[in-house]
Amino acid sequence: GQQLNQSPQSMFIQEGEDVSMNCTSSSIFNTWLWYKQDPGEGPVLLIALYKAGELTSNGRLTAQFGITRKDSFLNISASIPSDVGIYFCAGTGTGANSKLTFGKGITLSVRP
Amino acid sequence: SQTIHQWPATLVQPVGSPLSLECTVEGTSNPNLYWYRQAAGRGLQLLFYSVGIGQISSEVPQNLSASRPQDRQFILSSKKLLLSDSGFYLCAWRGIAEAFFGQGTRLTVV
Repeated sequence: GQQLNQSPQSMFIQEGEDVSMNCTSSSIFNTWLWYKQDPGEGPVLLIALYKAGELTSNGRLTAQFGITRKDSFLNISASIPSDVGIYFCAGTGTGANSKLTFGKGITLSVRP
Repeated sequence: SQTIHQWPATLVQPVGSPLSLECTVEGTSNPNLYWYRQAAGRGLQLLFYSVGIGQISSEVPQNLSASRPQDRQFILSSKKLLLSDSGFYLCAWRGIAEAFFGQGTRLTVV
């Protein structure tokens, strides 16, 4: 089946730093999604990408749909303590009724 | 706008007891609905999904079952809980591509 790879499992950054997260797959995806999960809560959709090459921003967050359609990245600029959480990438593959596949997530810690 | 409600938020149940978690969606009709389990704050494991009333697909064999008695209601059940059923359970509905999650239920089986 389709898989999305996110690594490393955890990232530790200093407040104010920028951070970039990657999500890769061996399969082509038609949609890329980025979610953030705060402790004890459900994941919240941050950014959705629908076209290869698309670059979308949401405040300090920027995400891009890779040209090959096999990867996506999420950038967080000028990190703040409330950026801590688990960041998941997700995507839908080709074909009708394609399932939504999730990566295993990256836990981000921000040191004040 | 669409909203998704999931309850209870936390639950502590003894081994062997039954389980019923409920999820309802407002503001949309005929949604695709999903139950996920998350262990130890990590990845999301898809348990069940439903494309319509009475239509349930199971992704992994387990001690749990799901039902969809109404268009916007999705229920996760067990007749007898196991210790291994502990985890964070999430309900979600899916639009064209995106999924939107409920607040989750933290289940602890003791």
